[in-house]
Amino acid sequence: NAGVTQTPKFQVLKTGQSMTLQCAQDMNHNSMYWYRQDPGMGLRLIYYSASEGTTDKGEVPNGYNVSRLNKREFSLRLESAAPSQTSVYFCASRQNAGRNTGELFFGEGSRLTVL
Amino acid sequence: GENVEQHPSTLSVQEGDSAVIKCTYSDSASNYFPWYKQELGKRPQLIIDIRSNVGEKKDQRIAVTLNKTAKHFSLHITETQPEDSAVYFCATQGAQKLVFGQGTRLTINP
Repeated sequence: NAGVTQTPKFQVLKTGQSMTLQCAQDMNHNSMYWYRQDPGMGLRLIYYSASEGTTDKGEVPNGYNVSRLNKREFSLRLESAAPSQTSVYFCASRQNAGRNTGELFFGEGSRLTVL
Repeated sequence: GENVEQHPSTLSVQEGDSAVIKCTYSDSASNYFPWYKQELGKRPQLIIDIRSNVGEKKDQRIAVTLNKTAKHFSLHITETQPEDSAVYFCATQGAQKLVFGQGTRLTINP
């Protein structure tokens, strides 16, 4: 039982390049999330998928796209990377999205640097 | 939309003393209030949570108190130890997502 697994752990891009961060969970969770973490800014939600087949914007969606490939997998794509997207990205999952749901489980994080 | 304010942003205490971190929130419909701990270079992990039908919850040296009327909740760590040094995040449950505070960097001085 690996929990939430995200790849790659580290990536360096040049401005304008594209890349996809992959995330998979093996806990049979319905809801999945992508956050970014910047110094002093806490965890900001980029996109989330409350259930398979749905995706919604979070606080900071500009410059990103997501795909809920199936119940297990939720990918984050940067089409044209910018230095402002240098950050640590966390994928997370939980049983459900609603108000009666508990713990959010995080992946180990992906450190992205855009030059 | 939902908003969570957390303070202080940094906190330094002597080993053995207590630490208190406070959060205020705006969404009166919030009913779930977790606290996450993030050690350096690691992922955030849940350490304690409280639901809106409870005013206080304890787990060994940590406790969380909730005041729904005033819309604030606090994390209390007693008898602090070096391994308590980390960044702590509060969060509230919005309609479909958790909204996090900005984090508090807690340093325990020997």
